[in-house]
Amino acid sequence: DAKTTQPTSMDCAEGRAANLPCNHSTISGNEYVYWYRQIHSQGPQYIIHGLKNNETNEMASLIITEDRKSSTLILPHATLRDTAVYYCIVRFSNTGNQFYFGTGTSLTVIP
Amino acid sequence: EAGVAQSPRYKIIEKRQSVAFWCNPISGHATLYWYQQILGQGPKLLIQFQNNGVVDDSQLPKDRFSAERLKGVDSTLKIQPAKLEDSAVYLCASSLGTGTYEQYFGPGTRLTVT
Repeated sequence: DAKTTQPTSMDCAEGRAANLPCNHSTISGNEYVYWYRQIHSQGPQYIIHGLKNNETNEMASLIITEDRKSSTLILPHATLRDTAVYYCIVRFSNTGNQFYFGTGTSLTVIP
Repeated sequence: EAGVAQSPRYKIIEKRQSVAFWCNPISGHATLYWYQQILGQGPKLLIQFQNNGVVDDSQLPKDRFSAERLKGVDSTLKIQPAKLEDSAVYLCASSLGTGTYEQYFGPGTRLTVT
């Protein structure tokens, strides 16, 4: 599975959009981009995933560049509860390959 | 629906002792995972079960770690004997199948080896 690169930490003001970048320059054509987050002292939680097109759900939006070498997770109106470590992961969707979580981005939402 | 249950939540043991963790996945989930998360790192997969069969245990230190999933439901992870470097949070997760995108994680067991 392709490796990802994420900033170690980011801050965001409460109520503003949080934009979390991820580089995955070696991604192959049939690898998906997944985002999970881990709130302190909890297990990781699925947020969203996508292949080529931008995706949106009730939690977040995922923007994937046309060349698929990078993506951005957008939390449209960050709240204090969004403070967590965010993991960007790439893997083949339907083969059962494991998730490689990396070290993620620690997002702190500031009041 | 009930989430993934794990016990105990915390465990402190001395090195060379043995320890066991228990996981009860979400009802109907065929796939069960055990992860190890060392402080400051992301979770690392130790073993993956599909029903009661092992799908992937390539990163399980088999000289000291063992896991089983009898009857394809609950699972136990055992460490014997424990080393200082085994201090970590052990996370259990489950999913409907091996190819599904969403894994549901339990709260984890924090192990401290002294």
